[in-house]
Amino acid sequence: AQSVSQHNHHVILSEAASLELGCNYSYGGTVNLFWYVQYPGQHLQLLLKYFSGDPLVKGIKGFEAEFIKSKFSFNLRKPSVQWSDTAEYFCAVNGYDMRFGAGTRLTVKP
Amino acid sequence: GAGVSQSPRYKVAKRGQDVALRCDPISGHVSLFWYQQALGQGPEFLTYFQNEAQLDKSGLPSDRFFAERPEGSVSTLKIQRTQQEDSAVYLCASSLIEGRVRGNQPQHFGDGTRLSIL
Repeated sequence: AQSVSQHNHHVILSEAASLELGCNYSYGGTVNLFWYVQYPGQHLQLLLKYFSGDPLVKGIKGFEAEFIKSKFSFNLRKPSVQWSDTAEYFCAVNGYDMRFGAGTRLTVKP
Repeated sequence: GAGVSQSPRYKVAKRGQDVALRCDPISGHVSLFWYQQALGQGPEFLTYFQNEAQLDKSGLPSDRFFAERPEGSVSTLKIQRTQQEDSAVYLCASSLIEGRVRGNQPQHFGDGTRLSIL
């Protein structure tokens, strides 16, 4: 069965700290990978996506993610977070169908 | 508008009532998806349309849930005889081209309808 696991439920960081949010999936076939962000009171928005090619993908607002096929992982990173990055982050995997992780709530303290 | 529009934003209903939730996808988007998002969880797939055809309804939790997209644009998710466990945010998403299984097109989400069943 296809599943997505996000390891961190709630992450609290200070501004300028580095961020890494974990995402692992289970699916044996070809996958497309996404990170979505949901700012307070807003809808889900696409941060970045991976379909093929360079496993290091860059998204909006300085975010990047690395697909490591051998580890079935697609971790999200940002070198220096800002207060405005406070939001909920969802990893999603489109294999047989679209599955979302449970989300990681990021709080950035000013 | 440029994005996916859902209405109403909030819906409160008494247990046993029927509700209807509306989704206006981005114009020209072929694929339309409905998700249910419980508190503290990620979105869970409910059903998928390609134009007017409902190609997958495997995620609908019971036969009280029904979705339609008769003209291949606007979609309605209907829940009959609502129960408290139906309380959730219902998200609609659309994408440009077909192929949920092959899908490499990102899905564009609406703001959702927050449904509360008393």
